[in-house]
Amino acid sequence: SQTIHQWPATLVQPVGSPLSLECTVEGTSNPNLYWYRQAAGRGLQLLFYSVGIGQISSEVPQNLSASRPQDRQFILSSKKLLLSDSGFYLCAWSVYTDTEAFFGQGTRLTVV
Amino acid sequence: AQSVTQLGSHVSVSEGALVLLRCNYSSSVPPYLFWYVQYPNQGLQLLLKYTTGATLVKGINGFEAEFKKSETSFHLTKPSAHMSDAAEYFCAVSDRAGNTPLVFGKGTRLSVIA
Repeated sequence: SQTIHQWPATLVQPVGSPLSLECTVEGTSNPNLYWYRQAAGRGLQLLFYSVGIGQISSEVPQNLSASRPQDRQFILSSKKLLLSDSGFYLCAWSVYTDTEAFFGQGTRLTVV
Repeated sequence: AQSVTQLGSHVSVSEGALVLLRCNYSSSVPPYLFWYVQYPNQGLQLLLKYTTGATLVKGINGFEAEFKKSETSFHLTKPSAHMSDAAEYFCAVSDRAGNTPLVFGKGTRLSVIA
């Protein structure tokens, strides 16, 4: 069966520090991969998605970037965190773009 | 482009009462529709989905939803609320063409009162 791993679960980082969140999927090949951010009371915001290695679509211009160095690995990064980057970050995968997505457990990021 | 509107950011029901969470969508083509549940500090879990066929869809934990094309709705119901149903619920839509990822509503927080 397929599983998705996302870490760390919580992270407290100072303003201006770098960020790297990692997500890996097991049990499937060539998944579509997604990064979402969830701010309090604001629902889910799609940040990036990828349909293949090296293919990244950015939905919202911001202080973040994403990379997909391997088929089942998706990384969310920032060179310098802002206070506004605080939130709950969720990684997800799907077989096709229009089918259901399966989510990781999320990372709670607090920028101080 | 698709969009989803969830009416009511917060719904409160008594334990044992009917749960009704509303979702209306906008799509230029017949959509796929989904409901997800999120417990505090966890990821989203798929409750149910509509793709084709029967318009009344049954999901996990006793939830069901009915696709009504004429009303562009996909409301989520459960006959009798349990305390464990307290969570955030998200409706989502896709366009079947595989062009863009799922579009999510802003979510409805369900509280269950003893």
